[in-house]
Amino acid sequence: DVKVTQSSRYLVKRTGEKVFLECVQDMDHENMFWYRQDPGLGLRLIYFSYDVKMKEKGDIPEGYSVSREKKERFSLILESASTNQTSMYLCASSSGQSEETQYFGPGTRLLVL
Amino acid sequence: GENVEQHPSTLSVQEGDSAVIKCTYSDSASNYFPWYKQELGKRPQLIIDIRSNVGEKKDQRIAVTLNKTAKHFSLHITETQPEDSAVYFCAASNAGGTSYGKLTFGQGTILTVHP
Repeated sequence: DVKVTQSSRYLVKRTGEKVFLECVQDMDHENMFWYRQDPGLGLRLIYFSYDVKMKEKGDIPEGYSVSREKKERFSLILESASTNQTSMYLCASSSGQSEETQYFGPGTRLLVL
Repeated sequence: GENVEQHPSTLSVQEGDSAVIKCTYSDSASNYFPWYKQELGKRPQLIIDIRSNVGEKKDQRIAVTLNKTAKHFSLHITETQPEDSAVYFCAASNAGGTSYGKLTFGQGTILTVHP
């Protein structure tokens, strides 16, 4: 059974703080993704990674960066948090072996004050 | 890039009725169309998917149809039950290319099934 975990379920930060969101998967998946979920906007892709140290911008990368130093771990970084980054953040992974099913983490609800 | 539009944004049905959610996509190279269900407070999970070489796929009470010419696909749920209440997302991908499994999601449909 695939397991994707995220470091926090709820997070409250102040404007300007640097924020780290971590995601870990235990199925040796090649691909990992970070989305933000906002009502009426669906799941929007921020960044994804298809291998260690490899990353690609998604549809809304501004204000975010990512790090993938180990295959199982994919971190999302908000360099200087702003109130418009208040959202639900979801991590996902997929095997990359012609299997496109994405397995999601439980999500981190981030509030930036 | 790919753009996926999903309608309706909310759908309310009585238990036992059918529900239909529709999506359109823009990139003719897309060939993989999954549907995810997200129950309240839970993570999205794949419920059914279809590839471009197939026009319809069924799994018990749920079915998905694909019209490649018109670039739209639909989710059909028959004999709805209260536990079908959730947010449903459609998505599209050019699987097998250099997309690395990247999905473009629709905006989501909140389905409410009234007992």
